[in-house]
Amino acid sequence: AQSVAQPEDQVNVAEGNPLTVKCTYSVSGNPYLFWYVQYPNRGLQFLLKYITGDNLVKGSYGFEAEFNKSQTSFHLKKPSALVSDSALYFCAVRLQGGNTPLVFGKGTRLSVIA
Amino acid sequence: GAVVSQHPSRVICKSGTSVKIECRSLDFQATTMFWYRQFPKQSLMLMATSNEGSKATYEQGVEKDKFLINHASLTLSTLTVTSAHPEDSSFYICSAEMVPGANVLTFGAGSRLTVL
Repeated sequence: AQSVAQPEDQVNVAEGNPLTVKCTYSVSGNPYLFWYVQYPNRGLQFLLKYITGDNLVKGSYGFEAEFNKSQTSFHLKKPSALVSDSALYFCAVRLQGGNTPLVFGKGTRLSVIA
Repeated sequence: GAVVSQHPSRVICKSGTSVKIECRSLDFQATTMFWYRQFPKQSLMLMATSNEGSKATYEQGVEKDKFLINHASLTLSTLTVTSAHPEDSSFYICSAEMVPGANVLTFGAGSRLTVL
C-alpha cells in the first residue's frame, strides 16, 4: 500500500526567507506525487504534481518541488515566503492507473511571520 | 477549469437525524468521485469511492450502512450520514477528476457537519 509521511506538524519561517515543507513517500512502482494547500474551512487547492520527466516541478504561486527517487522524497519549496502562504499543506501520492484516489500525508501547517 | 461544488457548506443537526451532502461536478461528467473525511487539525481520510451507476467502494473501517453514497448521475454524488451522532461531526470533502487518468483532481470546498 502506498503512504506519505510529512515529518513536520508545523513549519515557521520569516517572510522573505526560503521555505521547505518535507514529504517522503512509500509506494510500489512509480509514484504520482502531489502537493495541495488548504486554507481554513476550505477545500484543497492544487499546487503542483510530479508524474514523469523533469525532477524539478514548478507549480502555482511560486512553489516548486523536487522529486528525489533515491531518497523517496518530494519536498515543497519556495524561494521567498509570503505571509499569505500561511496555510495547511498536504503531500499526496496516487497509484498509476487512473480513477484511483489520492492518499494524503497528515499535513504541515506553515506559518510565515512578518 | 473543472469545478466541484458541495452543498451544504455547513450543517448542524440533532443527534439521530440524517443529513445529506451533495457533490456536483459543474462543468464536466465524473464517473468516479471520492469522499474524504477530515477531523480538526488532521489529514484527509478516504472514506469511499463513488461510482456512477454502481455501488460505492468503502474503505476499511467505514460503515457503509451509516455513510450511504449514491452516485445516480454523472454529475452528482451524495453522501448521507444516517442516524448521526456527535462523533460524526467532521469536515467532509469530495473530489472528482475531469479526465480520468489526467491526474488533475478537483476538490469541493467541503461540508462541515456538526451533530448536537
